[in-house]
Amino acid sequence: AQSVTQLDSHVSVSEGTPVLLRCNYSSSYSPSLFWYVQHPNKGLQLLLKYTSAATLVKGINGFEAEFKKSETSFHLTKPSAHMSDAAEYFCVVTISGGYQKVTFGIGTKLQVIP
Amino acid sequence: DAGVIQSPRHEVTEMGQEVTLRCKPISGHNSLFWYRQTMMRGLELLIYFNNNVPIDDSGMPEDRFSAKMPNASFSTLKIQPSEPRDSAVYFCASSINDGLGYGYTFGSGTRLTVV
Repeated sequence: AQSVTQLDSHVSVSEGTPVLLRCNYSSSYSPSLFWYVQHPNKGLQLLLKYTSAATLVKGINGFEAEFKKSETSFHLTKPSAHMSDAAEYFCVVTISGGYQKVTFGIGTKLQVIP
Repeated sequence: DAGVIQSPRHEVTEMGQEVTLRCKPISGHNSLFWYRQTMMRGLELLIYFNNNVPIDDSGMPEDRFSAKMPNASFSTLKIQPSEPRDSAVYFCASSINDGLGYGYTFGSGTRLTVV
């Protein structure tokens, strides 16, 4: 079984300041982890993924995430927020290998203040 | 590639009517997923197919919902009869393999309103 917890339902940052969106997971086996972004009235777009390679993963639009097994975390960061980053972000966990359900977090809405 | 294509983009229907949502996955992707998104429940996996075979349909809410994938390039999600609580955005996603190492590509969704 696996689960994912996004610790903040809403995050508000000023433009140009760092972004931190938190995600903790639980998994009985080695997980694969993803972050997706959803802009208003749009589908979900893959930002980045961790699949047991390098623990620091770089994604699109300047985002990155670090897999920390000891903390069971996969937080999403960006050094400087842009207005276009305002969206909802989903952390996703699944188990490597086999047919398993993919578990989405409830999402974190990022607001960027000019 | 045009990405995952869903139709229609919006559907408004009366309670009791049959609704059919359509999805064309990315060519070469062998896994297809149907999700439902609501404010109350977030994203829920309804069903997923691998090589056109339904693998896990435990997320399908009830017998009113059915999904088919007659070939690698087309899938449908049908609701019969529809009810107001079915109002949601329905997403289709596809991936290579079983979606674990490659991530999904999502369609733009179908916004269903049942009145």
